[in-house]
Amino acid sequence: NAGVTQTPKFQVLKTGQSMTLQCAQDMNHNSMYWYRQDPGMGLRLIYYSASEGTTDKGEVPNGYNVSRLNKREFSLRLESAAPSQTSVYFCASSVTGTGDEKLFFGSGTQLSVL
Amino acid sequence: LAKTTQPISMDSYEGQEVNITCSHNNIATNDYITWYQQFPSQGPRFIIQGYKTKVTNEVASLFIPADRKSSTLSLPRVSLSDTAVYYCLVPSLLSGGYNKLIFGAGTRLAVHP
Repeated sequence: NAGVTQTPKFQVLKTGQSMTLQCAQDMNHNSMYWYRQDPGMGLRLIYYSASEGTTDKGEVPNGYNVSRLNKREFSLRLESAAPSQTSVYFCASSVTGTGDEKLFFGSGTQLSVL
Repeated sequence: LAKTTQPISMDSYEGQEVNITCSHNNIATNDYITWYQQFPSQGPRFIIQGYKTKVTNEVASLFIPADRKSSTLSLPRVSLSDTAVYYCLVPSLLSGGYNKLIFGAGTRLAVHP
């Protein structure tokens, strides 16, 4: 049981390049999330998907797009990367949107934009 | 918004008990309080969750007073490996739905020999 799997683990981009971060969970969870964490800072919610077929903006959605491909997969796309998007990106999943939500996180993708 | 407030940092020594308090004045009736631990270069991991009174597991205890406006994570006899950032999370419909899970800044705990 792998839990939440993120790929790639590391990526270096040049300004203006695009890329997609992949996330997959094998826990049959309904909800999935993308967070970013800048050095020494807390987690900030980028986008989330409460259920298959739905996506919503979080705290910092600008410059990103997401796709909930199916119940297992939730991808994050940077269309034109900027240095300000240098960060560690974490994907997470949870069973469903209720008050006793428990998040399960992946190991993260470290992204550097030069 | 169900905003949470925690101390930015704390220091302790091996073998001591550490208590980290989180304030969540706007907590709603159906909200649970969940604590996560994050080591450097890793994603956060669930530690403990509670609704009221006291919850204990093999890792920690969580104390929640009757008014539920705060909660205290208690780590018994900490070791160097407990050095991490601890986040208190209160999901709320007031934040835009239970899925809009927004973290606060967390508490950086440093355990010294």
